[in-house]
Amino acid sequence: KAGVTQTPRYLIKTRGQQVTLSCSPISGHRSVSWYQQTPGQGLQFLFEYFSETQRNKGNFPGRFSGRQFSNSRSEMNVSTLELGDSALYLCASSALPSGADNEQFFGPGTRLTVL
Amino acid sequence: KNQVEQSPQSLIILEGKNCTLQCNYTVSPFSNLRWYKQDTGRGPVSLTIMTFSENTKSNGRYTATLDADTKQSSLHITASQLSDSASYICVVSAMGGSYIPTFGRGTSLIVHP
Repeated sequence: KAGVTQTPRYLIKTRGQQVTLSCSPISGHRSVSWYQQTPGQGLQFLFEYFSETQRNKGNFPGRFSGRQFSNSRSEMNVSTLELGDSALYLCASSALPSGADNEQFFGPGTRLTVL
Repeated sequence: KNQVEQSPQSLIILEGKNCTLQCNYTVSPFSNLRWYKQDTGRGPVSLTIMTFSENTKSNGRYTATLDADTKQSSLHITASQLSDSASYICVVSAMGGSYIPTFGRGTSLIVHP
């Protein structure tokens, strides 16, 4: 069974631009969560989608948005990029909505650099 | 404010030795605690998941313990291998309608031959 895939793997943008990242979950998984990882803040939860609906959202500005399609693939969009948005963006999938013992499987991440 | 603190920040050990990583949390009400291993340049991989009623869980050479009273967890690695060199991240989630995990900053482990 193929794992979680993320595209692109690397991305360079300039301040003010917008970017869209893509995540394809493991086949059969309907939950996709997004995370931001930086050296300064570590891993932080962005949002979770399940069956095309956003279930939970972390403490990030409205410039960060996402969506999920009927095939469970998910996209994350960041508008008006800032230097501080440079990070590794990870997505994780699980069969059920995130909960007590639902195991999440992470993708390799997209490394975003904002110049 | 929910917080997860991990110690030590970094650790260097010799191959074959054991080590223990610590995680203290203030997340409330507690739902579950997870340990992840993250190799450089890769996504985290789940090692263990523990709920309130579990106080020990093993995954091969990895054994996690949980003391819900003192809000502490530890990850013990037995007979370390070079491939254990990675960052180990503790994640604690609160109970309730919203699943929003709180991450520790991780412990960077280096295993030398």
